[in-house]
Amino acid sequence: GQNIDQPTEMTATEGAIVQINCTYQTSGFNGLFWYQQHAGEAPTFLSYNVLDGLEEKGRFSSFLSRSKGYSYLLLKELQMKDSASYLCGLTGGGNKLTFGTGTQLKVEL
Amino acid sequence: GAGVSQTPSNKVTEKGKYVELRCDPISGHTALYWYRQSLGQGPEFLIYFQGTGAADDSGLPNDRFFAVRPEGSVSTLKIQRTERGDSAVYLCASSKTGPSGANVLTFGAGSRLTVL
Repeated sequence: GQNIDQPTEMTATEGAIVQINCTYQTSGFNGLFWYQQHAGEAPTFLSYNVLDGLEEKGRFSSFLSRSKGYSYLLLKELQMKDSASYLCGLTGGGNKLTFGTGTQLKVEL
Repeated sequence: GAGVSQTPSNKVTEKGKYVELRCDPISGHTALYWYRQSLGQGPEFLIYFQGTGAADDSGLPNDRFFAVRPEGSVSTLKIQRTERGDSAVYLCASSKTGPSGANVLTFGAGSRLTVL
């Protein structure tokens, strides 16, 4: 089975940097995904990690440590439009993508 | 089509009724997924199709839920004898192949089901 933990809520200031952590336990591992979901909208893909290390994509970066069962999403130069839920998900030994409960990020002025 | 299309966008029904939710995936995407999302929660996996067959239906909560994909494209999620606890947003997603590897899921806007 799989278990994914991430904080329920976070608040950060416009222009700042925020790190959203995700820890997991799984019997198999194929990849770690991060999705963004604005209220009332569909989730959209942000990043994917399969090997340990940092993947950078513009203002967003994602890190993975498979030995520690740990990932984080780093958002730089925060903008008000970044206020959303951030979903950590992983594919284990099977072929399904399982999500955590999501972290609701609020960006304030 | 250009994106994943789900109909209806909203469905209100009475307890005990039968409901069908439809998903039209991106053309050429062989993998199709159904998720259920309640307020403040992440999407909960229900079922995954590879082509016409259900590759993993371990997330279906009970035998009132059933999904088909007869021609490997459009899928229908069927809920019998609906209960108030079935109220949620039902999300459909598709991808080119299975989710292993960097195969990104593209989600539809969802069907909001309310059972009175």
